[in-house]
This record gives sequence, C-alpha cells and structure tokens, in this order.
Amino acid sequence: DTEVTQTPKHLVMGMTNKKSLKCEQHMGHRAMYWYKQKAKKPPELMFVYSYEKLSINESVPSRFSPECPNSSLLNLHLHALQPEDSALYLCASSQDQGLGNNEQFFGPGTRLTVL
Amino acid sequence: AQSVTQPDIHITVSEGASLELRCNYSYGATPYLFWYVQSPGQGLQLLLKYFSGDTLVQGIKGFEAEFKRSQSSFNLRKPSVHWSDAAEYFCAVRTNNAGNMLTFGGGTRLMVKP
Repeated sequence: DTEVTQTPKHLVMGMTNKKSLKCEQHMGHRAMYWYKQKAKKPPELMFVYSYEKLSINESVPSRFSPECPNSSLLNLHLHALQPEDSALYLCASSQDQGLGNNEQFFGPGTRLTVL
Repeated sequence: AQSVTQPDIHITVSEGASLELRCNYSYGATPYLFWYVQSPGQGLQLLLKYFSGDTLVQGIKGFEAEFKRSQSSFNLRKPSVHWSDAAEYFCAVRTNNAGNMLTFGGGTRLMVKP
C-alpha cells in the first residue's frame, strides 16, 4: 500500500466552526507533513511530525492545531479560521526525516473553503 | 538558503511534440532533486528523483530528467507529449539542512493542444 489518504475531500466551514482534517498512511513511514497550497502556487510547509512528535512548525497561526495520535494518523484541527485560509491542504509522508532515499508521498488533499 | 526557479510559468505544446521544462536550483552542495506533477485539485505525484550516480534519470509516464551540475539545472523532458500530460509540474530540492525539507519551485503549467 503506497497511498496517503485524506478526508474529507472538500470542506466548507464558517469562521466560528471547529473542524478537523484527517490523513492516514500504512507504509510504515515515521515522518508526516502538512502543507497548504493556494491556487497557482507551490505547496507551503506548515508542520512536520517525526516519530509522532512535532519537529517543525513553520510559524503557523494557532488556529491550526496538528495532532499525531499514532504513527499512521495525522490530524489538523481547525478553529476560528479566516477566509484567507481557504486553500488545498495536502498531507505527505516519508520514511523519516533523515538522509537517503526519502521521497515524500502526497495525499490527494482536502479543498477547504472558509466562509 | 537554497532556492528553486522554474523560469516558465506556462508552456503550451502540441500533442506528440517534445517537451522540456526548465528547473534551476541554488545550493552549494549536490542537492536531492525531484519532479512532481499535479493534476487540477489533486495531490502531487512523484515523476522522478535524483540522489546520485547517473545524471540522466528515468521516471514514470515516459519522463526523464538530466542533472547538470555546471548549470545547476535539472530539466524535465518527454519525447512525445500526450493530452493527459496537461498539468502543473513542480521541481523541488531537498538539502542536508535540519529537517531535510523540500523547497519547491513556482511551478510550470503545461497545456497540450490537440
């Protein structure tokens, strides 16, 4: 299984809502990533988890809260978002954060719209 | 800090024609280089990667890329484009700094004329 799955595919939420994005992989990877991608732009790294611990937070606002319940799952909890947070949110995983053959596998993304 | 430049924002080619997408990187040592493809509203799919060894690397879907250290380039090529190749293409570099994160180029949108 070389797949990263993400749910939901689409999400529309108001600025006062609380929602969560989910990501799952069963490749035994120990590094997982959240990216944000605006239209016609490359992905921007938000968070990295390595061995279920948060290792990188790219100065993301606290209205985004990541969680890694176990080595296969990665969540992104959303609260009090702004319309400018509307984007495609991509999850990725890799064997680990170390050197060597360490490509990132991406999920299909969640298209988030904040009203 | 490393950077990646994709000089062409848009490219249009006719179906069956050859394709070359340009990628230049800025980094002191030999980087790890990747090409990803993204169809509209989808995630990124790895086309090919270069870590070391032979500078001409073969990927999926008939794509290849050549690493040229002297030009700091990693251009993507395909001899004959298919309509299904229309997508956004991202070049990315991973370096040996902390975290080994990917740095993406701005992307090139490929359109294919019938």
